[in-house]
Amino acid sequence: EVQLVESGGGLVQPGGSLRLSCAASGFTFSDSGMNWVRQAPGKGLEWISYISGSSSTKYFADSVKGRFTITRDSAKNSVYLEMNSLRAEDTAVYYCAREPAWAATAYFDYWGQGTLVTVSS
Amino acid sequence: DIQMTQSPPTLSASEGDRVTITCRASQNIGRWLAWYQQKPGKAPKVLIYDASYLKSGVPSRFSGSGSGTEFTLTISSLQPDDFATYYCQQYNSYSRTFGRGTKVQIK
Repeated sequence: EVQLVESGGGLVQPGGSLRLSCAASGFTFSDSGMNWVRQAPGKGLEWISYISGSSSTKYFADSVKGRFTITRDSAKNSVYLEMNSLRAEDTAVYYCAREPAWAATAYFDYWGQGTLVTVSS
Repeated sequence: DIQMTQSPPTLSASEGDRVTITCRASQNIGRWLAWYQQKPGKAPKVLIYDASYLKSGVPSRFSGSGSGTEFTLTISSLQPDDFATYYCQQYNSYSRTFGRGTKVQIK
């Protein structure tokens, strides 16, 4: 069974940093591209970052470019989101989501349960 | 960046109603579009991918159509479990943009 479990959320001051983790299981981790999606309280979904299975390709939304980085560790079956220079508008539930492996498509077939990041003084 | 315009933002309907949600892309995305359902406090769940393919396990009352820039999600007969928020998402470009959502509520 595919499972994605996020962790690392919490309360951080503006300008601070936080590292989110997403532990994956139930599939061959290196076969799938992974994404981070966030949802501010009461708002819609915002895609923020993608990393390919080999880590060779990374994309970021303009709203986080230059502040967030994405990495993955195949030995730990985990993907990470390093968030720096955090702002109040980064407050959201952060989800990791998987793209199907070995498929000419890129929708998100599995999602984690999310982890809440609150940026406030 | 490709913008996704979803309409309507909210929709009031009754059980048994046929419901249609529309998503328009700011440029041609072929058939690279998915529809998700989200309930409060839960992660989104994919219903339709590649514009018209029903995800395994999703009830057949859900269907998707369209290509290029115009897409629709149809629920043929609304059930109590279907009251939720629905999002479209394009994945034609590097940025996997979502629409702003349509909340389907009880009339």
